[in-house]
Amino acid sequence: DIQMTQSPSTLSASVGDSVTITCRASQSISPWLAWYQQKPGKAPNLLIYKASNLESGVPSRFNGSGSGTEFTLTISSLQPDDFATYYCQHYYSYSGTFGQGTKVEIK
Amino acid sequence: EVQLLESGGGLGQPGGSLRLSCASSGFTFSSYAMNWVRQAPGKGLEWVSTITESGGNKYYADSVKGRFTISRDNSKNTLYMQMNSLRAEDTALYYCAKSARRQGYFDSWGQGTLVTVSS
Repeated sequence: DIQMTQSPSTLSASVGDSVTITCRASQSISPWLAWYQQKPGKAPNLLIYKASNLESGVPSRFNGSGSGTEFTLTISSLQPDDFATYYCQHYYSYSGTFGQGTKVEIK
Repeated sequence: EVQLLESGGGLGQPGGSLRLSCASSGFTFSSYAMNWVRQAPGKGLEWVSTITESGGNKYYADSVKGRFTISRDNSKNTLYMQMNSLRAEDTALYYCAKSARRQGYFDSWGQGTLVTVSS
């Protein structure tokens, strides 16, 4: 099975900062990677699919990149609404393993 | 607007059974693969199972294989998960999620139904 490893687990930042979250796969999954945002008490929300494609309605400050086994989610100019937990997920095969999540906290 | 409404959660006994349902609307249900994802209290997301559009292919996480069965009724626009041989570690919020068209990522999610396994 493909394992997904996210880093860091927690990230402290201020409004206006640019932050980057990394997701590594145990084997090449390119480009079958998605990113989700989850706020407390809410269902996850799709941000990025196919590594770098922005889901409709998602602000352009969210940017996905990467290939092979290493992928990143960058949030430029953090907004108050962006403080949440972010998950990557591969969909290379019909076993969509998620990363363990990265919590973006207010510094 | 896509709507996914889970039900059937509650308290289950260790070794017992529960059946979850996910009623859908706002899209052509039979044209999309569907999924269950769970989240234990305070933990991350765990993919549980996927069923293809016609129901002909089903996939499971190792943690539930042989105990859980995913199914769908395209005439009723409803997804199901039969959960047998429940364990304490199955305690979680169970989300129903719609796959994107012919893609493996999940573009719509329900609000979840809570399953608690305890004696």
